[in-house]
Amino acid sequence: GDSVTQMEGPVTLSEEAFLTINCTYTATGYPSLFWYVQYPGEGLQLLLKATKADDKGSNKGFEATYRKETTSFHLEKGSVQVSDSAVYFCALSEAGGYNKLIFGAGTRLAVHP
Amino acid sequence: NAGVTQTPKFRILKIGQSMTLQCAQDMNHNYMYWYRQDPGMGLKLIYYSVGAGITDKGEVPNGYNVSRSTTEDFPLRLELAAPSQTSVYFCASSPLSGVAEKLFFGSGTQLSVL
Repeated sequence: GDSVTQMEGPVTLSEEAFLTINCTYTATGYPSLFWYVQYPGEGLQLLLKATKADDKGSNKGFEATYRKETTSFHLEKGSVQVSDSAVYFCALSEAGGYNKLIFGAGTRLAVHP
Repeated sequence: NAGVTQTPKFRILKIGQSMTLQCAQDMNHNYMYWYRQDPGMGLKLIYYSVGAGITDKGEVPNGYNVSRSTTEDFPLRLELAAPSQTSVYFCASSPLSGVAEKLFFGSGTQLSVL
C-alpha cells in the first residue's frame, strides 16, 4: 500500500541555519503531497501542499517540490528561527478519495538561539 | 469560530474501562476523521465518516467504535481499554472530497491506559 518515509529526528539547528527534512513516498496513483506542522500542545496545521509533479509548495519561508522521478517531497527553509521548533509531518492523500491522509512518522526540529 | 473541538484533553483509564472521546466541529463539514498518534509514529486513521449516518473503517479500527448522528459530532468509543490504546487521538474534519488541504485538526486527547 501507499506509504511515507521521512528522516528521523530530532534535528537540532542554530538560528539562521539551513533546514532540510527528507521525505519520500510510495504510491500507486498520483497523490497530493503535504507538509503539516505540530507545535507543542496543538493539533496539526497544514504548512504547504503540492498536487502534481514539479509543483512547488511554499509558505512562511518553507518550500517543497513534488519530484515524481525520485518520489520525494523534501522540506527546506533557508534560515530557521526559534519559533520554527515543532514536529513536521510529511503526508500524502490516500487513493480512493475522502481526503484520507497517510502520514510519515514525523521529524522533531529544535532551533536554538 | 471554534473549529474542531475535542474533549477531554487528558484522560487516564484502567484496563477494561470504557470511555468516549468527543469531537465536534462548527464548520458544517461533511467529512470527519479519527486518527491516533503513537510515540515516534505518524498518525494512523482509525475511522472516518462522509456524512451523518455513514461511517467506515480506517487502517486501525480494532477496539474502537464510532457513530455520526449529526453533521457536527463524531464521538469515538473505547469499550474495553487496553494498554495498546495508549496514544494521542486527533479528530479532524474537511468540507468536501478532493480538497485535502482543507483538513482541520483538533488539539488532541492524550489517553493513557494503565
